[in-house]
Amino acid sequence: ELKVEQNPLFLSMQEGKNYTIYCNYSTTSDRLYWYRQDPGKSLESLFVLLSNGAVKQEGRLMASLDTKARLSTLHITAAVHDLSATYFCAVGYSGGYNKLIFGAGTRLAVHP
Amino acid sequence: NAGVTQTPKFRVLKTGQSMTLLCAQDMNHEYMYWYRQDPGMGLRLIHYSVGEGTTAKGEVPDGYNVSRLKKQNFLLGLESAAPSQTSVYFCASSYPTLGANYGYTFGSGTRLTVV
Repeated sequence: ELKVEQNPLFLSMQEGKNYTIYCNYSTTSDRLYWYRQDPGKSLESLFVLLSNGAVKQEGRLMASLDTKARLSTLHITAAVHDLSATYFCAVGYSGGYNKLIFGAGTRLAVHP
Repeated sequence: NAGVTQTPKFRVLKTGQSMTLLCAQDMNHEYMYWYRQDPGMGLRLIHYSVGEGTTAKGEVPDGYNVSRLKKQNFLLGLESAAPSQTSVYFCASSYPTLGANYGYTFGSGTRLTVV
């Protein structure tokens, strides 16, 4: 059974600091996604990671995937208040039909 | 393009009442999904469909039924609502192949409260 664990679940950061969110998953998968959700809003796709060693960057966010360790990281560089949101990783079932298993989410609060 | 549209956006039900949530997509996506979001639990898959006339159970299907009579619509029904079904419901759709350029398109969500 595929399980996805994110940590931390809550992260309070000072502006300008760096931090990493971790996403571990329990069985082999061929794709991993990172989403952002603002309060009361829908989910916005941030990154798609499809192969071992994949790294994607957008602004102050960088995501990487290690399929051998079954681990993805979302690194935040020099955090700003606009990054405050909940971040989810989602891992694809190998069985197909594009079903995704989501982590519990990391609520990020960036303060001055 | 509207993308994925969910109706209604908010609803309050009494225990035992029934209702249907509607999801409509205009992207000609084959696959459609219903997820529920609860605090601290991420999103959990309720039911999904891989084409018109098909449906299948996800992780948490009990208490829900679905139908996909037309390719563009995916309906989620609650026959007898329970307080445990208080949640935010998201519909999503996708092409058959997820890849670098294709992922889920999510609707804006339906916030349901059962009292």
